[in-house]
Amino acid sequence: DAGVIQSPRHEVTEMGQEVTLRCKPISGHNSLFWYRQTMMRGLELLIYFNNNVPIDDSGMPEDRFSAKMPNASFSTLKIQPSEPRDSAVYFCASSSYVGWGGELFFGEGSRLTVL
Amino acid sequence: TQLLEQSPQFLSIQEGENLTVYCNSSSVFSSLQWYRQEPGEGPVLLVTVVTGGEVKKLKRLTFQFGDARKDSSLHITAAQPGDTGLYLCAGEGQAGTALIFGKGTTLSVSS
Repeated sequence: DAGVIQSPRHEVTEMGQEVTLRCKPISGHNSLFWYRQTMMRGLELLIYFNNNVPIDDSGMPEDRFSAKMPNASFSTLKIQPSEPRDSAVYFCASSSYVGWGGELFFGEGSRLTVL
Repeated sequence: TQLLEQSPQFLSIQEGENLTVYCNSSSVFSSLQWYRQEPGEGPVLLVTVVTGGEVKKLKRLTFQFGDARKDSSLHITAAQPGDTGLYLCAGEGQAGTALIFGKGTTLSVSS
């Protein structure tokens, strides 16, 4: 079975450009999470969807970040405009558990570099 | 704000040695998970502990949840190069709050 699929794996862009990261969760999983990982701050939750509805977006840094989940098999995380401090590895994870206690299945991540 | 502190931050050992890494907090957690992450990949769940004092074993790995559910430890016996990676603990808050991750312990096992 396919795991969580993220694209692109690597993105290098210039400050001010729009960045869109994509995620396809595991089929049948109804919870989806976006995390950001940096050396300084570790893994930080950005947003959590359940049944395509955003439940907790308190980790979204600011208005430059937005996330959507138009259907059960697709989600996007958009940064507009991007800044150098947004450079990080962005992970999407899905779970069949509602809430926070279940196993998270992570994708391989999207490494973003903003110059 | 709930925080999970992991120690040590880095650990470099020889094959065959034993080691323990720690995950500590001043907060109580409903459950705690341990993940391992290899370079270029996402974290993969190793175990979930739920009950205070619970001990779980996964081959050479032993996980313990503190009695007060504020801390946890991971002990590896006879480490092997395949154990190399970033070990992350993640706690589920009692009030239905988000899963909080520690910054991890980077383990390097050389042969």
